[in-house]
Amino acid sequence: DIVMTQSPDSLALSLGERATINCKSSQSVLYSSNNKNYLAWYQQKPGQPPKLLIYWASTRESGVPDRFSGSGSGTDFTLTINSLQAEDVAVYYCQQFYSTFWTFGQGTKVEIK
Amino acid sequence: QVQLRESGPGLVKPSETLSLTCTVSGGSIDNHYWSWIRQPAGKGLEWIGRIYNNGNTNYNPSLKSRVTMSVDMSKNQFSLKLTSVTAADAAVYYCARDVIVAGTGDWFDPWGQGILVTISS
Repeated sequence: DIVMTQSPDSLALSLGERATINCKSSQSVLYSSNNKNYLAWYQQKPGQPPKLLIYWASTRESGVPDRFSGSGSGTDFTLTINSLQAEDVAVYYCQQFYSTFWTFGQGTKVEIK
Repeated sequence: QVQLRESGPGLVKPSETLSLTCTVSGGSIDNHYWSWIRQPAGKGLEWIGRIYNNGNTNYNPSLKSRVTMSVDMSKNQFSLKLTSVTAADAAVYYCARDVIVAGTGDWFDPWGQGILVTISS
């Protein structure tokens, strides 16, 4: 299995601050033939299903605010939320789709301080 | 806009079989992979498996011996069966569409709202 480990488990920030969530995979999810990182990010608000934010590690899904951005390559990835808004309170998950046994990180809970 | 809705019993007895159906509306089930994902209360996400409209499947190795997925093209539905359930199988079960672009990639969008399944006698 590819194990996905997120850090931190939770963070509390003030409105307008920048949130940084890290995701590390136990092996590279960079596919050399197309130079794409097989990683996605999701946002899950309480009582709702996860919502796709980013795929290919850095491509924002249509309709996702541009304060959300993804970066990284190989085994280390970051989801950044610039200027945190109240509606961004949620749990965020990374997911690898490199192997045909998809796995998620354990989640990072983002709260407002 | 494609929408998914899970249905099935919310309560299953230990050792019995959990059976859920996902109905796809707003689009065809054809030419897509469809996945089941579960989330125990207060915990993270676990991919259970996926099925293509031709019946091809891939399952999570940890659940493979107990999982069967099927598709009903005429009803635009796909289904999950999980046998010999225990308390560890209690979770919210989601169905989702696999997004595959140019034959590669596999993220999930959209997701159903989820169905809570409790395991209890």
